[in-house]
Amino acid sequence: QKEVEQDPGPLSVPEGAIVSLNCTYSNSAFQYFMWYRQYSRKGPELLMYTYSSGNKEDGRFTAQVDKSSKYISLFIRDSQPSDSATYLCAMSGGKLIFGQGTELSVKP
Amino acid sequence: DTEVTQTPKHLVMGMTNKKSLKCEQHMGHRAMYWYKQKAKKPPELMFVYSYEKLSINESVPSRFSPECPNSSLLNLHLHALQPEDSALYLCASSQVGVSYNEQFFGPGTRLTVL
Repeated sequence: QKEVEQDPGPLSVPEGAIVSLNCTYSNSAFQYFMWYRQYSRKGPELLMYTYSSGNKEDGRFTAQVDKSSKYISLFIRDSQPSDSATYLCAMSGGKLIFGQGTELSVKP
Repeated sequence: DTEVTQTPKHLVMGMTNKKSLKCEQHMGHRAMYWYKQKAKKPPELMFVYSYEKLSINESVPSRFSPECPNSSLLNLHLHALQPEDSALYLCASSQVGVSYNEQFFGPGTRLTVL
């Protein structure tokens, strides 16, 4: 079993839709949870991070962590074509442990 | 300056060539990382330098040789690579000694081995 599981998609939504991206993990020692966005042929950029359980909001993006279920989510409201990218969840356990990445396409 | 720069952007090399990838950051970070990323896969950690000393080698073949000449620079020397080593090579940097280490990634070097 992988330490972090993420549905690779691809996921295609119309512009303006609410997008939900999810990861599950197995190591209960993880404390920091991150979402990276990677555009094609670019390096990953940190979108959001959350410490322990709870929600964090930044503009159109909301990150949720449920440590009891070992489940994290990223919600994107009013999705835009510019949100089209691969979204990688990552957890910090000494080193970064990445999920497989979900490829998102937002159609105009 | 919150940027990690990498050169070259693209590199094509034969299996007998020797080449080097370069990475630079001026954020005062004392941890630097090399990752390898294949298409539609997440980055895989290769090496970690902490205070210019190699602290993690993820069982990477010796045809990859990292070097950290100073706190701002990180090199990856390549020799006798195989076609399966073709990938995007990412450099990252972060602070040391904090619980949460936000890693800043460079744009990567896209390597093709013929």
